[in-house]
Amino acid sequence: EPEVTQTPSHQVTQMGQEVILRCVPISNHLYFYWYRQILGQKVEFLVSFYNNEISEKSEIFDDQFSVERPDGSNFTLKIRSTKLEDSAMYFCASSDGTQYFGPGTRLLVL
Amino acid sequence: GENVEQHPSTLSVQEGDSAVIKCTYSDSASNYFPWYKQELGKGPQLIIDIRSNVGEKKDQRIAVTLNKTAKHFSLHITETQPEDSAVYFCAAPLDSNYQLIWGAGTKLIIKP
Repeated sequence: EPEVTQTPSHQVTQMGQEVILRCVPISNHLYFYWYRQILGQKVEFLVSFYNNEISEKSEIFDDQFSVERPDGSNFTLKIRSTKLEDSAMYFCASSDGTQYFGPGTRLLVL
Repeated sequence: GENVEQHPSTLSVQEGDSAVIKCTYSDSASNYFPWYKQELGKGPQLIIDIRSNVGEKKDQRIAVTLNKTAKHFSLHITETQPEDSAVYFCAAPLDSNYQLIWGAGTKLIIKP
């Protein structure tokens, strides 16, 4: 069964550093999403992406965040200058009308 | 915009008994209601969903019911087993359907 994959599974970084989280969506899906989940809290929407552009973004998705689909298969989330409060699980999802989630990347900002 | 409330936050049931988790939503235009199961350290997995043109959907031991008038939907798990222990999230889309608004989650504990 096709699935969404994400790399790395864990990422530790210093405050102020840039990180890139990678996702490979399910191949025939057209909608892609990033969500985050701070430990013990609910899942929060960050951004949706369709037809090579952002469809919607939440208030969380400020100028330090960006998304890209560089090569037609990968879908990346870049955090330019990480802050302590960016520590969370980041989930990628892709959709054919139903959203399927990847296993997540645990980001720890020190 | 959409607001999703989920209850209870924790539910403990005896193995073999049934579990029911309830969610309410605010946007009457919402037409798609998924339920996700999240095990420790893993991403949410879709377990069942329902669209607004039906009132109930079943898949083996799992069912979802939808009451559009009252704007609530529920997850029912029958004959619970230890592997059902997880956090369950309901969600509903904003009217754009691009993003899901999530409930706060229910930690389901199955007691042996």
